[in-house]
Amino acid sequence: GDSVTQMEGPVTLSEEAFLTINCTYTATGYPSLFWYVQYPGEGLQLLLKATKADDKGSNKGFEATYRKETTSFHLEKGSVQVSDSAVYFCALQGGSEKLVFGKGTKLTVNP
Amino acid sequence: DAGVTQSPTHLIKTRGQQVTLRCSPKSGHDTVSWYQQALGQGPQFIFQYYEEEERQRGNFPDRFSGHQFPNYSSELNVNALLLGDSALYLCASSLKGATIETQYFGPGTRLLVL
Repeated sequence: GDSVTQMEGPVTLSEEAFLTINCTYTATGYPSLFWYVQYPGEGLQLLLKATKADDKGSNKGFEATYRKETTSFHLEKGSVQVSDSAVYFCALQGGSEKLVFGKGTKLTVNP
Repeated sequence: DAGVTQSPTHLIKTRGQQVTLRCSPKSGHDTVSWYQQALGQGPQFIFQYYEEEERQRGNFPDRFSGHQFPNYSSELNVNALLLGDSALYLCASSLKGATIETQYFGPGTRLLVL
């Protein structure tokens, strides 16, 4: 079945550091790919999405490119802020329409 | 534009009891999906409702049931609660037939079973 694998956390960075969170997936067909963010004590917020190969999703300085050849959708940000501290989830949506999530990566950004 | 709302925010129950959680979708959305998020884990799909019928179901027992009303709002019912049902329950809404059926999540209901 469909699955998503994210890099193990937690990840701790200093403010203004470069962020990469790796995400790879297994799916039949051509799924849509998403990154969601969860701040402490809250639900999930959609961060960005991409629906086909080579699409780049971007929002709030975060970017991810849909790489079909490597089945990856890595999340990047050039300069993180303390307010980016949260748990980040990679997810795919295949033909069945349900979302399949990775286990999440906790990011802590120190001032 | 109201987003997805859920009630209650927190709930404490004891083993064997039954619980009902409620969700109102984002304005303009007609499909509701429910997810269970255990502590430290990613959300797991429970089921999806569209046109007042269960359309898809994840790997959850029949103790988990749901309902969708004509105004698109939805309920999740869990019978015979187990300790392992303690989790954050997330509702997500979407629009069926959209080019990308992006799901938007509510803040969740945190259920603790003692």
